[in-house]
Amino acid sequence: GENVEQHPSTLSVQEGDSAVIKCTYSDSASNYFPWYKQELGKRPQLIIDIRSNVGEKKDQRIAVTLNKTAKHFSLHITETQPEDSAVYFCAASASGGGADGLTFGKGTHLIIQP
Amino acid sequence: DAEITQSPRHKITETGRQVTLACHQTWNHNNMFWYRQDLGHGLRLIHYSYGVQDTNKGEVSDGYSVSRSNTEDLPLTLESAASSQTSVYFCASSAGQGLEAFFGQGTRLTVV
Repeated sequence: GENVEQHPSTLSVQEGDSAVIKCTYSDSASNYFPWYKQELGKRPQLIIDIRSNVGEKKDQRIAVTLNKTAKHFSLHITETQPEDSAVYFCAASASGGGADGLTFGKGTHLIIQP
Repeated sequence: DAEITQSPRHKITETGRQVTLACHQTWNHNNMFWYRQDLGHGLRLIHYSYGVQDTNKGEVSDGYSVSRSNTEDLPLTLESAASSQTSVYFCASSAGQGLEAFFGQGTRLTVV
């Protein structure tokens, strides 16, 4: 089955700086890669996603890049703010779609230092 | 507004008891999923369903079962609760392949 590795497990950055979280996946058939943000005690919520026919996608301060050849994708957050502090999860769909469920990375705890 | 809700939010049960966690969505989504979340493991898929009468095993399905008798509900049953099943459980639903999965609020289950 699909295997998703996520790094780093903890990331501390100064407010205003950029943060980058990286993930690799194993199943070349996967074609949907969402990123979820989870605040303490809350449910995971989608912040951005990308499909394998696209190399990069941006939404304001957040961007995701995908390298299908290398089977890795990254989340970039620019101009970080205190409200960006949370756990971020990358995921990949095991069979190239959402129906079989998502395989998640183990998460990155992002800490924004004032 | 459409939503996905789980109940109960917190439960404490004894080893060996049968426990059922409820998940109800009003999105009219065909696809529903159950995950468990444990420190150091992220979110792991337990069971999923493509539609009524369809159920499938995920990565960590041993000791769990689900049933899908209608579109809105996917209850998760622990046949004989074990301490290793102490976890936070999340239900999710999506409209289909490659589409956003919406999560419920989670159920914190403690097996003593």
